[in-house]
Amino acid sequence: QVQLQESGPGLVKPSETLSLTCIVSGASISRYSWSWIRQPAGEGLEWIGRSYTSGGTDYNPSLRSRVTVSVDTSKNQFSLRLTSVTAADTAVYYCARDSGRAGDFDYWGQGTLVTVSS
Amino acid sequence: QSALTQPPSASGSPGQSVTISCTGTSSDVGGYNHVSWYQQHPGKAPKLMIYEVSKRPSGVPDRFSGSKSGNTASLTVSGLQAEDEADYYCSSFAGSNNYVFGTGTKVTVL
Repeated sequence: QVQLQESGPGLVKPSETLSLTCIVSGASISRYSWSWIRQPAGEGLEWIGRSYTSGGTDYNPSLRSRVTVSVDTSKNQFSLRLTSVTAADTAVYYCARDSGRAGDFDYWGQGTLVTVSS
Repeated sequence: QSALTQPPSASGSPGQSVTISCTGTSSDVGGYNHVSWYQQHPGKAPKLMIYEVSKRPSGVPDRFSGSKSGNTASLTVSGLQAEDEADYYCSSFAGSNNYVFGTGTKVTVL
């Protein structure tokens, strides 16, 4: 079955760069689009951005200037970089697979908590 | 892009039905039939329950149903069971390859 697993530092200093990786198993990463979604504690979900099979990307307009999503097909994984982080970026970060139907995410990782603090 | 509006909470007794609304604008919910619903238990990842307004993924009980009228989408859970107690989030395509989630609704089974 399809499984996604996030990995990366749990603590990032303010103004630095948050970097996370999502390892995908049970599906070829080159056949789907892949997204990052985050959730601050006690709050709702926020779509961050995605990478398409074509290599193209889309980003949430509110984060576009700071976000990069990339795919490594050789390792069947994709990554998130978020620059110039502040405490407002503290959240559980999820990686997810786009179903291909436009607008829904059918497989999710378990999530990883990233805290921005000095 | 503002979050879609959901009621903070909803509740019902076992066996009853509960309906959750999700209100957006003509630029998201009202403009596209790409509304989905997710169930999230505490400490867990969201789970897709409804896609394209009213379709259920394989394995999701038919007690869960979705609909849309104008700028408001709805999720109905019929025959409430204890395991349905969770947070529920709607999501919609918002144009320009952007997606927006709802504010979330905590469903309590009394």
